[in-house]
Amino acid sequence: DSGVTQTPKHLITATGQRVTLRCSPRSGDLSVYWYQQSLDQGLQFLIQYYNGEERAKGNILERFSAQQFPDLHSELNLSSLELGDSALYFCASSFAGTGANTIYFGEGSWLTVV
Amino acid sequence: QKEVEQDPGPLSVPEGAIVSLNCTYSNSAFQYFMWYRQYSRKGPELLMYTYSSGNKEDGRFTAQVDKSSKYISLFIRDSQPSDSATYLCAMGTAAGNKLTFGGGTRVLVKP
Repeated sequence: DSGVTQTPKHLITATGQRVTLRCSPRSGDLSVYWYQQSLDQGLQFLIQYYNGEERAKGNILERFSAQQFPDLHSELNLSSLELGDSALYFCASSFAGTGANTIYFGEGSWLTVV
Repeated sequence: QKEVEQDPGPLSVPEGAIVSLNCTYSNSAFQYFMWYRQYSRKGPELLMYTYSSGNKEDGRFTAQVDKSSKYISLFIRDSQPSDSATYLCAMGTAAGNKLTFGGGTRVLVKP
């Protein structure tokens, strides 16, 4: 158990809908990362928050947004869902926001868009 | 061309054999390197962390980094069927914010 908690573990939704994925980082970690893993793209970095502020942005679609709350949990919002958004979404956390720090992953949220 | 290249496999070995995995990369700014193990549809689990060049050993696992060749390796000794998983290399820069992952190598250890 990495200490990173993600909910829900699985969800199925229809195209055009909106979902919210939730992440609680490891105790003491200030940084939260979101990654998307699909069969053909591997693990793709979406976005990072550090202590409530956006720190880095990767290949995140405009239909997706995230935030980190004062208690350091984070939410990833996916809207106007398309079939191609079906993937595993991972949250990860680390203590530091930059540099050589270890990053621990949660178990993921498996999203299926039908 | 991807920043990090990793053979997807599958790599099939008999139980007890040495598993040899590697990644190549193109970004010379990468300074820290990690190996993760991922079981099917589970979260990646951190196995090894190495900063800069050199070797690191932890139990049955040995990680090597050759920055001059932009090449990293992971060796698993005395492999077990429970080592069957996908192994992902990941790397980052000292000033950076994210890890860049290889595509993963699927390993099958047969009893």
